[in-house]
Amino acid sequence: AQTVTQSQPEMSVQEAETVTLSCTYDTSESDYYLFWYKQPPSRQMILVIRQEAYKQQNATENRFSVNFQKAAKSFSLKISDSQLGDAAMYFCAYGPELGAQKLVFGQGTRLTINP
Amino acid sequence: DAGITQSPRHKVTETGTPVTLRCHQTENHRYMYWYRQDPGHGLRLIHYSYGVKDTDKGEVSDGYSVSRSKTEDFLLTLESATSSQTSVYFCAISDIGRGGGYTFGSGTRLTVV
Repeated sequence: AQTVTQSQPEMSVQEAETVTLSCTYDTSESDYYLFWYKQPPSRQMILVIRQEAYKQQNATENRFSVNFQKAAKSFSLKISDSQLGDAAMYFCAYGPELGAQKLVFGQGTRLTINP
Repeated sequence: DAGITQSPRHKVTETGTPVTLRCHQTENHRYMYWYRQDPGHGLRLIHYSYGVKDTDKGEVSDGYSVSRSKTEDFLLTLESATSSQTSVYFCAISDIGRGGGYTFGSGTRLTVV
């Protein structure tokens, strides 16, 4: 069974600085998706960024980028120029390529932004 | 945004009572999911559906049942609520055609006292 591990329960960063959240996963599949979701205090789950495993290029979305290391099964999220609105729980998730795509989530990392 | 709504948003219930949570989508997606969120565990899959009347168990299905009589509605039932089922419950839909991933409902905070 696939597993996803986020080893940092909590992280903090100064406003305008850069922070990296770590995620590792375990799978025997060669094609799959990886995701980062953000959950602010409102409780809403918001998709931040996705990565297809067959793509070697790391995904980027504005200030958010990933470092995808397929051989190491590592998928870290980098947030540049941190803003107060980035404070949230962040979840890493793994999903199979086809079928029901039952996502497997990590435990989450709570990110605090210090003004 | 994809149309997916959950009800109720909050609920307090007594141990031993049945509880039904509702998820409604307007996107005509085939796949729907129920997860529970607990501190230290992230989100864990309870049940999912791959079509009308087609459902299957997830990782933490004990004590829960689901039904899907229409494409747009996916119901989660706690047959006899226990304190261990106090949690936040999320419904989600997936659209592989748009690159995978879920769109989530806003969640239901359920407290069993």
